[in-house]
Amino acid sequence: AAGVIQSPRHLIKEKRETATLKCYPIPRHDTVYWYQQGPGQDPQFLISFYEKMQSDKGSIPDRFSAQQFSDYHSELNMSSLELGDSALYFCASSLDKDRGKLDYGYTFGSGTRLTVV
Amino acid sequence: AQKVTQAQTEISVVEKEDVTLDCVYETRDTTYYLFWYKQPPSGELVFLIRRNSFDEQNEISGRYSWNFQKSTSSFNFTITASQVVDSAVYFCALSEGVDNQGGKLIFGQGTELSVKP
Repeated sequence: AAGVIQSPRHLIKEKRETATLKCYPIPRHDTVYWYQQGPGQDPQFLISFYEKMQSDKGSIPDRFSAQQFSDYHSELNMSSLELGDSALYFCASSLDKDRGKLDYGYTFGSGTRLTVV
Repeated sequence: AQKVTQAQTEISVVEKEDVTLDCVYETRDTTYYLFWYKQPPSGELVFLIRRNSFDEQNEISGRYSWNFQKSTSSFNFTITASQVVDSAVYFCALSEGVDNQGGKLIFGQGTELSVKP
């Protein structure tokens, strides 16, 4: 079965550079979530999109922006990178109309490990 | 506000011991979902179980079992006869109410389980 695809798997950037992370959700899933997991931390919600519109926003720095495109893939753009942005970035997708059903859930990608040097 | 607490930061057991990972949650929503994920050293988030608020049945899957108690807002996870391959960080997570926009997952701090041979 198709899974959530994240690219790249690993990324090394220097301080003040820009990075773009991509997420391809499960086909027919209409909601995408982005999470940031720092070393030794739990995943923290950044932002989500439903049907290509931003649906919720967490502790996402102003230097970060994201969008969901017409084919439902999403990109997280990170500018002026700082050392503290080094983390594992997860994307997850879900089908909103399944909320309330017994089998509602999320499918996570394998993550993008960003290292800022 | 929703919150998930995993009071045990680290647990160390010897192979074949039983171990229980605790999870306590807070929510004002009447409909919600609870999840457990395993994160091995490779970093991906592996889905283990989902439970919704209207189904308090406990579940057993092989060596894994889960105890969901709405009265105490707990969703504990037990591994029977632990094995070295169970060594990982385990996250408990809560999904916001169905009636609300968003649907993001809120994670606990994680419990690092180390199973020694």
